[in-house]
Amino acid sequence: AQSVTQPDIHITVSEGASLELRCNYSYGATPYLFWYVQSPGQGLQLLLKYFSGDTLVQGIKGFEAEFKRSQSSFNLRKPSVHWSDAAEYFCAVVSKTSYDKVIFGPGTSLSVIP
Amino acid sequence: EAGVTQFPSHSVIEKGQTVTLRCDPISGHDNLYWYRRVMGKEIKFLLHFVKESKQDESGMPNNRFLAERTGGTYSTLKVQPAELEDSGVYFCASSGPSGVFDEQFFGPGTRLTVL
Repeated sequence: AQSVTQPDIHITVSEGASLELRCNYSYGATPYLFWYVQSPGQGLQLLLKYFSGDTLVQGIKGFEAEFKRSQSSFNLRKPSVHWSDAAEYFCAVVSKTSYDKVIFGPGTSLSVIP
Repeated sequence: EAGVTQFPSHSVIEKGQTVTLRCDPISGHDNLYWYRRVMGKEIKFLLHFVKESKQDESGMPNNRFLAERTGGTYSTLKVQPAELEDSGVYFCASSGPSGVFDEQFFGPGTRLTVL
């Protein structure tokens, strides 16, 4: 079955440090990939998406992600983390059996130390 | 412009009772989605409306769940009767004409606790 894995349940980084959140997917064809962020008390917000083209995708809030087909990965990065980045991050992929639905990973919770 | 709103924000009910959750999408968004996150698990798709029609309801857990979107505006999700395993956070999202290929805007969720 199609799935999205995020190996890190929780990550803690210091403010100003770099960040990489991992995401792997299982998919037979070219996937349509997303990263969402959920801050406490808020709904999910789209950070960036990859459908085709340049494999390095720029998003909002200074985030970027790189699609690597050979590794079935779509890792999220930020060069310098701010305290306001503390949130939960979800990787997701459009289902290949139904373009009506999105399949989410389990999420990675990010804590930022001042 | 108002975002996606959901009501109530929290609901605590007893097993066997009925609960109705409401979602108001962004005005003009024909596509409306319901998702659920059970504690510690992934966010799971429940169903998708295009206007008032159910496009895909393959994620609905069982027939205790009934979703409606009369008039193609707001949507309700009723759970009757509620069971313990229905506890979780229910999210609603809406998007423009390209469905999931447009940005999905999510509401803050309704946290349902079944005792």
